[in-house]
Amino acid sequence: KAGVTQTPRYLIKTRGQQVTLSCSPISGHRSVSWYQQTPGQGLQFLFEYFSETQRNKGNFPGRFSGRQFSNSRSEMNVSTLELGDSALYLCASSSRVLAGGTDTQYFGPGTRLTVL
Amino acid sequence: DAKTTQPPSMDCAEGRAANLPCNHSTISGNEYVYWYRQIHSQGPQYIIHGLKNNETNEMASLIITEDRKSSTLILPHATLRDTAVYYCIVRVDTSGTYKYIFGTGTRLKVLA
Repeated sequence: KAGVTQTPRYLIKTRGQQVTLSCSPISGHRSVSWYQQTPGQGLQFLFEYFSETQRNKGNFPGRFSGRQFSNSRSEMNVSTLELGDSALYLCASSSRVLAGGTDTQYFGPGTRLTVL
Repeated sequence: DAKTTQPPSMDCAEGRAANLPCNHSTISGNEYVYWYRQIHSQGPQYIIHGLKNNETNEMASLIITEDRKSSTLILPHATLRDTAVYYCIVRVDTSGTYKYIFGTGTRLKVLA
């Protein structure tokens, strides 16, 4: 079974621009979560989508948004990019069959975003 | 939210057991402990998880104290490929959904 895939793997943008990152979950997985990883803040939860609905959200400004499609693929968007948005953005999927169950998140390789 | 505390770094000789501690003293009764590792900025790799009982799989063992305030990940025979940052995570469940709260991780270096 193929793992979580993320595109693009590397991206360079300038301040003020916007960016869209894509994540394809493991086949059959309906939950997709996004994380930001920076040297200073470590791994931080952005949001989770399940069945096209945002189920949970971390403490990030409204410039960070996401969506999920009917095939469970997800995108996240960052508008008005700032230098501090430079990070590794990770996507993770899980089967999420049972609420509160012990399903496990599997991470993709990440998208390395550099803001100049 | 529950937080985890881990030593920033550890060394282990190749072939020996690596014991990675984690403190999660504010964990709630229904919150799971997960362990992942990350090798050189790749995506984190799942290792093991548990709630109350000790767990073992083909990669590692997880020992959780009876009061659940701390746990230890054990890699029984560390190899050079086990060099990575190991994250102890508490999964926080809220209103039917959940999120992972990552700690700062332990950088494990396996020495030849």
